[in-house]
Amino acid sequence: SQTIHQWPATLVQPVGSPLSLECTVEGTSNPNLYWYRQAAGRGLQLLFYSVGIGQISSEVPQNLSASRPQDRQFILSSKKLLLSDSGFYLCAWSTPSSTDTQYFGPGTRLTVL
Amino acid sequence: AQSVTQLDSQVPVFEEAPVELRCNYSSSVSVYLFWYVQYPNQGLQLLLKYLSGSTLVKGINGFEAEFNKSQTSFHLRKPSVHISDTAEYFCAVSESNSGYSTLTFGKGTMLLVSP
Repeated sequence: SQTIHQWPATLVQPVGSPLSLECTVEGTSNPNLYWYRQAAGRGLQLLFYSVGIGQISSEVPQNLSASRPQDRQFILSSKKLLLSDSGFYLCAWSTPSSTDTQYFGPGTRLTVL
Repeated sequence: AQSVTQLDSQVPVFEEAPVELRCNYSSSVSVYLFWYVQYPNQGLQLLLKYLSGSTLVKGINGFEAEFNKSQTSFHLRKPSVHISDTAEYFCAVSESNSGYSTLTFGKGTMLLVSP
């Protein structure tokens, strides 16, 4: 069966510091991968998606970036965090053959102080 | 462009009572619809989905939803709730593209079940 991991589970970072969040998927090949942010009272916002290694599409302009160095690894990064980057970050995957159902990871709670 | 409206931000209900969480969507193309549940500080878990076929969809934990194309709705129901159903529920609509899909979420409905 497929599983999705995210780490760290929680993170507290000062403003201006760098960020690296990691997401990995097991049990499937060539998944579509997604990063979402959930801010208080604002629902879920799609940040990035990837249909293959090295292929990243951005949905919202911001100071975040994403990379996919391996087939089942998706990384969310920032060079300098802002207060507004605080939130709950969720990674999701879907299979290319059933692209309409996304399955979510456990999330990373980021607090920027 | 797609959009999803969850009309109630919070729904309080007593244990063993029925509940309906409302969801309306707008889309210019054929839609796929989803309900997810989120327990505190956890990721989203798929409850059920409508892709095609029967408009009444049954999901996990005794939940079901009905797709109504004329009313552009996909309301979630459960005939008898438990304390453990307390969570936030998200309705989502999917737009398919070539090789990937994007989900648009509603803002969520917090279901509060009390004894």
